[in-house]
Amino acid sequence: GAGVSQSPSNKVTEKGKDVELRCDPISGHTALYWYRQSLGQGLEFLIYFQGNSAPDKSGLPSDRFSAERTGGSVSTLTIQRTQQEDSAVYLCASSPGQGRGYTFGSGTRLTVV
Amino acid sequence: DAKTTQPTSMDCAEGRAANLPCNHSTISGNEYVYWYRQIHSQGPQYIIHGLKNNETNEMASLIITEDRKSSTLILPHATLRDTAVYYCIVKLSSTGGSNYKLTFGKGTLLTVNP
Repeated sequence: GAGVSQSPSNKVTEKGKDVELRCDPISGHTALYWYRQSLGQGLEFLIYFQGNSAPDKSGLPSDRFSAERTGGSVSTLTIQRTQQEDSAVYLCASSPGQGRGYTFGSGTRLTVV
Repeated sequence: DAKTTQPTSMDCAEGRAANLPCNHSTISGNEYVYWYRQIHSQGPQYIIHGLKNNETNEMASLIITEDRKSSTLILPHATLRDTAVYYCIVKLSSTGGSNYKLTFGKGTLLTVNP
C-alpha cells in the first residue's frame, strides 16, 4: 500500500483481556518498528524487526507483551492480561533501512477500562 | 545517540517563516540530524535529515551550523496545517547494531496562528 496501515484504529478492552494490534508495513520495507505513546508523553521504543534477523525486543515493558512478524511483512503486537497502564497509542513504522526516513502509521489507540 | 535540546513551544504567524532551533552539542561526526513532526492524533511524519550540508526538500529546509552543534528547521511559509510537535533527533544513519532506534524527546510544539 501507499503507507503503513494499522488496525484497529481504536480499541477499548476490559482489564485482564488480551488484545492484538496489527501493522501492515509499506511493501518492500525490510525494517519494522513498534513504539508506544502514552498521553502527553514522548514515543517509547518497543520492538524492532529487520529482515530475517532476530528481533530486538529490549523495549517491551513486560512479558505480557509480544510481537511477531510473519513472512517479513505483517506484524502483530499482542498484549496479554491488559492493565490500565497499557492504555496508549501504539505506533508502527517501517523503513527501507540504511538511514532512510521511517514512515509511521496512524496508530492504534488502546484504552483499557 | 546524542541528546538534543529544543524549546518547548513556539508561535508563528500564518504565511511567515517558522524557524525551529535544535541544540545537539554532543553530536559525533557520523551522526545525522533528523526532523520529524507529529500532528495531533497522527503518527510522526518524516520531514528531512542531513549530516553537515544544508538540505532542502518540498517540506522544509535544514540549516546545520558549521560546528554541527546546532541546527534550524525552516518552514518557509507556515500554514495552519503545520501546527504540530516537531522533533529533532540525532542518530547514526545506518541500521546496523542498535542504530535503528529513533529516540524522541519532548519536541517543540509549533502553533501557527491565523
